[in-house]
Amino acid sequence: GESVGLHLPTLSVQEGDNSIINCAYSNSASDYFIWYKQESGKGPQFIIDIRSNMDKRQGQRVTVLLNKTVKHLSLQIAATQPGDSAVYFCAEIPNYGQNFVFGPGTRLSVLP
Amino acid sequence: DGGITQSPKYLFRKEGQNVTLSCEQNLNHDAMYWYRQDPGQGLRLIYYSQIVNDFQKGDIAEGYSVSREKKESFPLTVTSAQKNPTAFYLCASSQSGGETNYGYTFGSGTRLTVV
Repeated sequence: GESVGLHLPTLSVQEGDNSIINCAYSNSASDYFIWYKQESGKGPQFIIDIRSNMDKRQGQRVTVLLNKTVKHLSLQIAATQPGDSAVYFCAEIPNYGQNFVFGPGTRLSVLP
Repeated sequence: DGGITQSPKYLFRKEGQNVTLSCEQNLNHDAMYWYRQDPGQGLRLIYYSQIVNDFQKGDIAEGYSVSREKKESFPLTVTSAQKNPTAFYLCASSQSGGETNYGYTFGSGTRLTVV
C-alpha cells in the first residue's frame, strides 16, 4: 500500500492501552478543529471535531481536548486496537471562511 | 451512498505529458479542494473552488490547472510545467455558507508517478 509520511513522529502503544496524540496549532484565533485518521493508501477519514467554544468533546472511544491557552489539541483513543494503526493529523481553520491548515501527522503503531 | 470518488487510483505520467485526475462528489457540496501529500509533510492546498465556474489558487498552484463546470466535478490537470509531480493527490469537498465551518470529506486519493 501507499506509504504516507515516511518520516513522521511515531507513537507505539500496546493493544488495549490508551493512546494520546498531540498537536500544536498555530493561530490563537482558530475557530474549528478536526482530527483525521489516514490509513495507508487511503484518504483521510473524519474522526472527531471541536469548536473553539468547547474544551472537550467525546465520541466513541475517542476524546478531543482543546487547550486554547497553549494552543494545544490532543486526541485520546481508549483501549487502542490494531485497526487504530494509521497516521493521525489535526486540522484547524485559522479564521472563519478560510481553508483548513493541516498538521504533518503522527503515526500510531499498535503492538500486539 | 453519498461520497467522493477519485480516479484513477494509480496514474503514471511520462516526462512532458499532461495528465488529468478526476474527482466527483454526490454530496451536494458547494466547495471542492485539491491537496497534494508528500511523505513527512502535511496536506498542501493546490486549488479550491467555493462555487461552480469559480476557483482560486492554493499554496502550490504552479504547474496545475483545474475547472469547475459542474457542481459535482472538479478535475485537476497536472501539466508538464510541474517539475516534481510524483505525489499522492487528494480531493475533498465540504458544505459552505452561513457562519459555520464544516469539515472536509476526502476521496481515496490518486497516486501519480512520473516514469
